[in-house]
Amino acid sequence: DGGITQSPKYLFRKEGQNVTLSCEQNLNHDAMYWYRQDPGQGLRLIYYSQIVNDFQKGDIAEGYSVSREKKESFPLTVTSAQKNPTAFYLCASSWTGKSYEQYFGPGTRLTVT
Amino acid sequence: GNSVTQMEGPVTLSEEAFLTINCTYTATGYPSLFWYVQYPGEGLQLLLKATKADDKGSNKGFEATYRKETTSFHLEKGSVQVSDSAVYFCALSDQTGANNLFFGTGTRLTVIP
Repeated sequence: DGGITQSPKYLFRKEGQNVTLSCEQNLNHDAMYWYRQDPGQGLRLIYYSQIVNDFQKGDIAEGYSVSREKKESFPLTVTSAQKNPTAFYLCASSWTGKSYEQYFGPGTRLTVT
Repeated sequence: GNSVTQMEGPVTLSEEAFLTINCTYTATGYPSLFWYVQYPGEGLQLLLKATKADDKGSNKGFEATYRKETTSFHLEKGSVQVSDSAVYFCALSDQTGANNLFFGTGTRLTVIP
């Protein structure tokens, strides 16, 4: 089955630790995205990538980093510099170009204490 | 700039009631418009989309028409079911080719038997 996988589903970390969230897709999409979702709010874009070895900051990139070494993988690192890292993180992918919808993974809920 | 405004929830309806969730947008150019649905603890799923003015998107009994003159994309369903209980997000895609999505804050729908 084609789709997007995110792991793990739940992640717990101590404050001050970096943590990496995994995102893999087998849809052969060129573009991949990371969003953050907080309770009662819409999704906010963290980073996106339209091609391997290239990525762009979204609206809330501070305290996050990404890499895109392979077309199918787009891991997100939440660094200790992120002031409020506890959230639900969603990865998505799509074809590049106008009008294409994004396909979403199941999400990772990160809790930092 | 690009933005989406959704009616605030939560919305509670009885089974078989008529549903309308309002969505208006601000955008430069001619964006594509989407409705996504999110079930508890899951990622977003595309519900329907429309790519140009007067297009009607439809899926699973839900419909929305792209109204350029009123900059709206209201979601409707004639008879809701308990299984429709979820959070609904309206979104638009920019026309830069990066295909970034701009989301509304979401509307939580609860359908009671």
